[in-house]
Amino acid sequence: DARVTQTPRHKVTEMGQEVTMRCQPILGHNTVFWYRQTMMQGLELLAYFRNRAPLDDSGMPKDRFSAEMPDATLATLKIQPSEPRDSAVYFCASSEQGQSSPLHFGNGTRLTVT
Amino acid sequence: KNEVEQSPQNLTAQEGEFITINCSYSVGISALHWLQQHPGGGIVSLFMLSSGKKKHGRLIATINIQEKHSSLHITASHPRDSAVYICAVSGETSGSRLTFGEGTQLTVNP
Repeated sequence: DARVTQTPRHKVTEMGQEVTMRCQPILGHNTVFWYRQTMMQGLELLAYFRNRAPLDDSGMPKDRFSAEMPDATLATLKIQPSEPRDSAVYFCASSEQGQSSPLHFGNGTRLTVT
Repeated sequence: KNEVEQSPQNLTAQEGEFITINCSYSVGISALHWLQQHPGGGIVSLFMLSSGKKKHGRLIATINIQEKHSSLHITASHPRDSAVYICAVSGETSGSRLTFGEGTQLTVNP
């Protein structure tokens, strides 16, 4: 069963440290999303890529967050420097054709910034 | 007012009951998604629909585009159906950006 793989599953770090989260989308999927989920805000879109090109990153704080797709098999989300308010679960999802195809979610990275 | 509203927020049912979760939205959409999130946190896409009705096992999703409303039905509910069910829409002009409802926490007791 093909699935989206995210690493790490859990990350605890101190304020100010750099955090990198990784995502391997399903092979053949050309659209990759990064979502953040918190108790207060629910699920929010941070950024998404189609064919490795960033299409929308308006949901992402630009001063500290960056998202890239170095190649078709890897998407990264970096936070530098991290802050306690970044504590959340970060989900990666991929789909074949963007909005016309179902989403496949990874298991998420639970980030705690102390 | 949120663009996507779900009801109820919380739902408790006895095993075997028929369950309905509702989703109303206020924007023109290209597609509506129903997602399931289990206590462990993983999110699974149940349905994506833009018209009519879809069925998968004991789950049925319907959408009425004119009324901007969708329902998720679970027949013969089971404790393993206990999860958060999330409605999300992709707007006509928002590309692949999804707008999410707040979710419905379903608990099915044996």
